Amino acid sequence: AQSVTQLDSQVPVFEEAPVELRCNYSSSVSVYLFWYVQYPNQGLQLLLKYLSGSTLVKGINGFEAEFNKSQTSFHLRKPSVHISDTAEYFCAVSQDYKLSFGAGTTVTVRA
Amino acid sequence: DTAVSQTPKYLVTQMGNDKSIKCEQNLGHDTMYWYKQDSKKFLKIMFSYNNKELIINETVPNRFSPKSPDKAHLNLHINSLELGDSAVYFCASSQQAGSQETQYFGPGTRLLVL
Repeated sequence: AQSVTQLDSQVPVFEEAPVELRCNYSSSVSVYLFWYVQYPNQGLQLLLKYLSGSTLVKGINGFEAEFNKSQTSFHLRKPSVHISDTAEYFCAVSQDYKLSFGAGTTVTVRA
Repeated sequence: DTAVSQTPKYLVTQMGNDKSIKCEQNLGHDTMYWYKQDSKKFLKIMFSYNNKELIINETVPNRFSPKSPDKAHLNLHINSLELGDSAVYFCASSQQAGSQETQYFGPGTRLLVL
């Protein structure tokens, strides 16, 4: 069975500063990895996903993530955040048709 | 022209009542899902249907019964509502049933059981 651990429950960050959200997964087989974002009072939206190939994945809104098989990690980064990036971020692993989510990281961007 | 829509958006009801939540997608997808998000924002899959057939049925009380009248709709009926059912319920869809598929989420239904 797979599981996902998001290492930071809350990340406060100043506008235009970089941010990194950490995600580790555990699985005995190959997995597919996703980052979703949930803006306040909305549903989830895909930021990016890793299926295979290049370990650096670029997504929407300037986000990117790096898949590291040896460290079983899939950390999300953005070099310069905006106020509008304030949201809940979920890392997820997909296996057997199911998405298993981490507990989420709340990102609060301050001016 | 919302891709995945849910009704109602808010639902406040008394313990013991029966209620339904409806979901529709206009993306032409084959697969639909129901997720529950609890007060700590933890998301867990409940059910999934592919071409109207149930393919995922997680450990969910029998009081929850999904119904898919066609590929574009997946409804969730809940009998004898309990306080612990209070949560946000999200519907999602994907083009096919597959681990590589992107899931598209609806806006959620906020259920409060009093």
